[in-house]
Amino acid sequence: EDKVVQSPLSLVVHEGDTVTLNCSYEVTNFRSLLWYKQEKKAPTFLFMLTSSGIEKKSGRLSSILDKKELSSILNITATQTGDSAIYLCAVEYGNKLVFGAGTILRVKS
Amino acid sequence: NAGVTQTPKFQVLKTGQSMTLQCAQDMNHNSMYWYRQDPGMGLRLIYYSASEGTTDKGEVPNGYNVSRLNKREFSLRLESAAPSQTSVYFCASSERRQTHNEKLFFGSGTQLSVL
Repeated sequence: EDKVVQSPLSLVVHEGDTVTLNCSYEVTNFRSLLWYKQEKKAPTFLFMLTSSGIEKKSGRLSSILDKKELSSILNITATQTGDSAIYLCAVEYGNKLVFGAGTILRVKS
Repeated sequence: NAGVTQTPKFQVLKTGQSMTLQCAQDMNHNSMYWYRQDPGMGLRLIYYSASEGTTDKGEVPNGYNVSRLNKREFSLRLESAAPSQTSVYFCASSERRQTHNEKLFFGSGTQLSVL
């Protein structure tokens, strides 16, 4: 059965720490992997990674796709309290888009 | 530019009652979606509409119906609400270009409780 698994389920860090969130997938006909940030309500788009573009960076956030290991990591450096959110990974394959359960990140001041 | 607008934001129903969740987008997107989000289970697709005039079942369609009223609006109806439908519901839209870019734009969600 196709699936998307995120780890850890939750973590708590202090401001200034660096965190790495993981997303692994077992799907056929992989098309892309997307990362979303969900604060209080609506998820907002962060990155999309495809076979033709395996690394993206925006400010303190970066993401890498490992096609061999069928996984992706989302790195956040110099974390801030505003980074506290649920981070969702979604994998597009065939004509489907499946979300992982998310990682809850809490950044303490 | 409002993006994706959902109403209502909160709703409490009794078992067996019916209701319709409304969604509208002003980005001229072709595709629209309804998801539900439950703790520990991520977002699950209920129904989607790839283009105006078409609708298709997603992963968890049972107990729901949808209507793509026009290109802007996509509604979700619960005909006879059940406690298992207690969840947060999100509407989303995307351009759905040929590259199958699934960059979704989400509404702010509806917190639904069925007692």
